[in-house]
Amino acid sequence: EAGVAQSPRYKIIEKRQSVAFWCNPISGHATLYWYQQILGQGPKLLIQFQNNGVVDDSQLPKDRFSAERLKGVDSTLKIQPAKLEDSAVYLCASSSGLAQKETQYFGPGTRLLVL
Amino acid sequence: LAKTTQPISMDSYEGQEVNITCSHNNIATNDYITWYQQFPSQGPRFIIQGYKTKVTNEVASLFIPADRKSSTLSLPRVSLSDTAVYYCLVKLYDMRFGAGTRLTVKP
Repeated sequence: EAGVAQSPRYKIIEKRQSVAFWCNPISGHATLYWYQQILGQGPKLLIQFQNNGVVDDSQLPKDRFSAERLKGVDSTLKIQPAKLEDSAVYLCASSSGLAQKETQYFGPGTRLLVL
Repeated sequence: LAKTTQPISMDSYEGQEVNITCSHNNIATNDYITWYQQFPSQGPRFIIQGYKTKVTNEVASLFIPADRKSSTLSLPRVSLSDTAVYYCLVKLYDMRFGAGTRLTVKP
């Protein structure tokens, strides 16, 4: 079974530029998560989708971050404009359902450096 | 919000048993306790999950007392490759990670 795919793996941009990350979850997984992980910290949930609907985006900085999952499968996370403090690893995860007992499977992450 | 508290770091030696305890005083009736492992430059990986008493799989054991206000992840006979950050998560529908416990296994 293929795992969660993410691209690109690495990205370097200058502040005020825009960037987009792509995630393809495990086939059949209805729930998709985007996390931001700053060096030395645990992952911080940015947004959670159930199919193509948003379940939780309370920690998403909506003035600069946006995410979509139009067909309930792939998802993109965008930052516009980027700030220095956005330098982090962006992790995508998926699970088969919403219940906490459903295991999350994580992708390898996209490492973003904002200069 | 069920907040979890774990030790920031732990050291161990190869072949020893390691126990990492997580406190979750505000755990709700429907909450499961889930532990993840994260290696550098990788996403977290599921280790074990439980609701009460004891759960064991091929990787670890999870001990949960009757009041469920804490849980202990037990790693038997650790090796150098078990050096990682370990996170416990508790909250129905709310996958918020804490800082985790950084385990260093020494030869």
